[in-house]
Amino acid sequence: GAVVSQHPSWVICKSGTSVKIECRSLDFQATTMFWYRQFPKQSLMLMATSNEGSKATYEQGVEKDKFLINHASLTLSTLTVTSAHPEDSSFYICSARIPEQGILQFFGPGTRLTVL
Amino acid sequence: RKEVEQDPGPFNVPEGATVAFNCTYSNSASQSFFWYRQDCRKEPKLLMSVYSSGNEDGRFTAQLNRASQYISLLIRDSKLSDSATYLCVVNKGQAGTALIFGKGTTLSVSS
Repeated sequence: GAVVSQHPSWVICKSGTSVKIECRSLDFQATTMFWYRQFPKQSLMLMATSNEGSKATYEQGVEKDKFLINHASLTLSTLTVTSAHPEDSSFYICSARIPEQGILQFFGPGTRLTVL
Repeated sequence: RKEVEQDPGPFNVPEGATVAFNCTYSNSASQSFFWYRQDCRKEPKLLMSVYSSGNEDGRFTAQLNRASQYISLLIRDSKLSDSATYLCVVNKGQAGTALIFGKGTTLSVSS
């Protein structure tokens, strides 16, 4: 299957700092990438859909000014958690879709964020 | 009603057992259905797509009942390595490309 990478795999930061997470498609071009968040023992919750060259579409309840998404190229999308607080601690996972394969999504390995 | 509902389990079974997971979804317009597997603290990985006619992949069989909006996954001859959380996933609406995940059903296979 297609390969999606994320960086960093884990991060610990102080409250109030901003954290950037990168999501890359390594062997294909992804016009659409998705960002999810997963709290312990909970399901993956879609935060936003990121389309290359246009603004991201955020799900209801997700603050676009707090979770900044940039999809500047066909292989890279970034999620920046601005002014992170302990309640933002979670597992953030990106995925990418290959249009030729329908709506199937390939997931990155995730980034575990801990805000102290 | 939640968009995708699963019995969270855990299901604790011995090696060799047959186990079945159920899932219901609320949006009748959904067209694409999947089972993903997620290991602890890892990303979800596609186990199999689910087709209306039902489909099988080795020890795994998936069924879809559109009228009841019900999806199932059957695992035969369970292995220790099958221990994981199984996520039922449907697309968001008729043409939606976004995926909606169930909370997952946890399976623990013991020797």
